[in-house]
Formats: sequence, structure tokens, C-alpha cells
Amino acid sequence: ETGVTQTPRHLVMGMTNKKSLKCEQHLGHNAMYWYKQSAKKPLELMFVYSLEERVENNSVPSRFSPECPNSSHLFLHLHTLQPEDSALYLCASSQLGQGHHEQYFGPGTRLTVT
Amino acid sequence: QKEVEQDPGPLSVPEGAIVSLNCTYSNSAFQYFMWYRQYSRKGPELLMYTYSSGNKEDGRFTAQVDKSSKYISLFIRDSQPSDSATYLCAMVRGSNYKLTFGKGTLLTVNP
Repeated sequence: ETGVTQTPRHLVMGMTNKKSLKCEQHLGHNAMYWYKQSAKKPLELMFVYSLEERVENNSVPSRFSPECPNSSHLFLHLHTLQPEDSALYLCASSQLGQGHHEQYFGPGTRLTVT
Repeated sequence: QKEVEQDPGPLSVPEGAIVSLNCTYSNSAFQYFMWYRQYSRKGPELLMYTYSSGNKEDGRFTAQVDKSSKYISLFIRDSQPSDSATYLCAMVRGSNYKLTFGKGTLLTVNP
């Protein structure tokens, strides 16, 4: 595997379900991110982990719960979601420090909440 | 005023045309600028990364930054149908990790 991978690629869940999204980066980076992408809106930053410590929680509802067990893996745990949470969820990674700012994205998980 | 403005298009051009994609921004603290390409049902892919005013060229792509006007551009020469995608601009302050994105411009290159 290379780059940033995400599973599953597609997910349909009811409002009472609990599910998890998984992200893995193979780039040796020290920071990982969760973004939400909805139609006709800019990417919305949800969470940032730097060296496995959460450094950003961008006013995201508690029904989204991130977990970063190590520098290569990131999870987004979902429970009691709403239909407006349907979107493309993107994971990204970057190497913070030494003038690096570019982020590398995974293919995303297309989430539909019914 | 939004921090980053990008015309969502859609933009449709014939194959071989020169394409110009643009973003304007309001925060003069932005120092680093990126262009991403996103194909349908895929994640964004980094195309260009610049940190100074002027031009940066990579094959058929040229990124241009004008910090005095707070304006960035991406030019695509000899456009191909495979260039059909949404193009996102992104920018960041020097000491920050938080990218600010435009909404993206949907480009279609017709054979």
C-alpha cells in the first residue's frame, strides 16, 4: 500500500447505527486530519492529530469521535448520525515542521445516513 | 468576505485549449499556496505547491502567485480530456497547519 488509504470506500448507515471509518498513511508523516466534503462547500476541517495528540477539534458534534492510536492510523467513530452528516469524509496526512505544509489525501469514504 | 473565493464554474473548454483557474483571498498572512485536482469519487491530489510570488511550472501546469493582489492562478496548457476534474485552491499561514480551501472549480475538457 502507498500513500493514504481509507476503508470502507462507501458506507450506508441508519441513524441509530454505530460504525467506524479507518485511515492509514504510509508516508511516515507526523500529522493526520479528518475533513468533511459536502456538495458546493469548501472542505471542512474536523480534527487534527499531531504526534498522536489531538490539536484541533473544530466544533464538531460529539456524534463524531476520533481516535489516533499511533502516527500511521486514524479512526473516526460514528454514532447516532443525522441525514445532514451524509458527505465524503476525507483523511489526510502531512509532515509538520521544516517548512512543509502540503497535505496528502486518501480516496475518502462516501457516507450516506438514512 | 470569505477568506478564499473561487468561481465554482462549471468551465467547459475544447481539447487543446489553455485553461486559467483562479482564486482570490483576503488574508495577507497566507504564505503558502497549493492546487489540488479531484476526480469524481476520488480524494484531492496535490498538483502544485508554491510559497512565493511569481510562476512555478511543472509540465503543462503553471502556478502563479501575486501576493500584492492576493490572487493565485493555475494555467493548464494543451488541455486534455483527462484534465476534466474539480480543481481546488488551498492556502496556509506560515506557522500553521490549517489549510483554507476554495470551493473548487469544475472543469470539463471536451474531445
